[in-house]
Amino acid sequence: DTEVTQTPKHLVMGMTNKKSLKCEQHMGHRAMYWYKQKAKKPPELMFVYSYEKLSINESVPSRFSPECPNSSLLNLHLHALQPEDSALYLCASSQDRGGLATTDTQYFGPGTRLTVL
Amino acid sequence: GQNIDQPTEMTATEGAIVQINCTYQTSGFNGLFWYQQHAGEAPTFLSYNVLDGLEEKGRFSSFLSRSKGYSYLLLKELQMKDSASYLCAVRDQYGNKLVFGAGTILRVKS
Repeated sequence: DTEVTQTPKHLVMGMTNKKSLKCEQHMGHRAMYWYKQKAKKPPELMFVYSYEKLSINESVPSRFSPECPNSSLLNLHLHALQPEDSALYLCASSQDRGGLATTDTQYFGPGTRLTVL
Repeated sequence: GQNIDQPTEMTATEGAIVQINCTYQTSGFNGLFWYQQHAGEAPTFLSYNVLDGLEEKGRFSSFLSRSKGYSYLLLKELQMKDSASYLCAVRDQYGNKLVFGAGTILRVKS
């Protein structure tokens, strides 16, 4: 089973709203990721959690706040977003076995299509 | 720095073979991945290379030359459903960071 699930599939929010994106995996993976993807562009890494600790923050604005409550769950809290934040938000997970000459493939969820009005 | 180059678009005929190239210049290297992404969907894993040579997986093969900073994805017996964007991604030396190329849109025509 290589399934990563994300909810909601679609989200429309105003610039003053607070919302959260959720991601879940039950593959026993210990690394989880948030990516942002604009139309016709590749995914851009936002955050990496390794063993439930934030290990990479790619200088993401503070209006995006990640949270990893346990090894299976990853949230992305959104507050005071801008219209340019509209994009497909992808969650991914991998085993995180140290990354040395291992496959350690990242598996992606279906994404949340976010529209900020 | 990171620089990953792929052709923007390619067109091929159903049943044919197509090769999608990827060149990279990265500050660290710990493997190269190919993903397929249909419009509006998530990327799906196709192949992985960390050592030089060819990896074959059914209709898909991927090749890596680390000394040349070069990889290609070979798709055989093309089907219409292969029309998608193909993303080349390099993993950094620490293992958790993937940097993606811009992707190659492949159009398969009948």
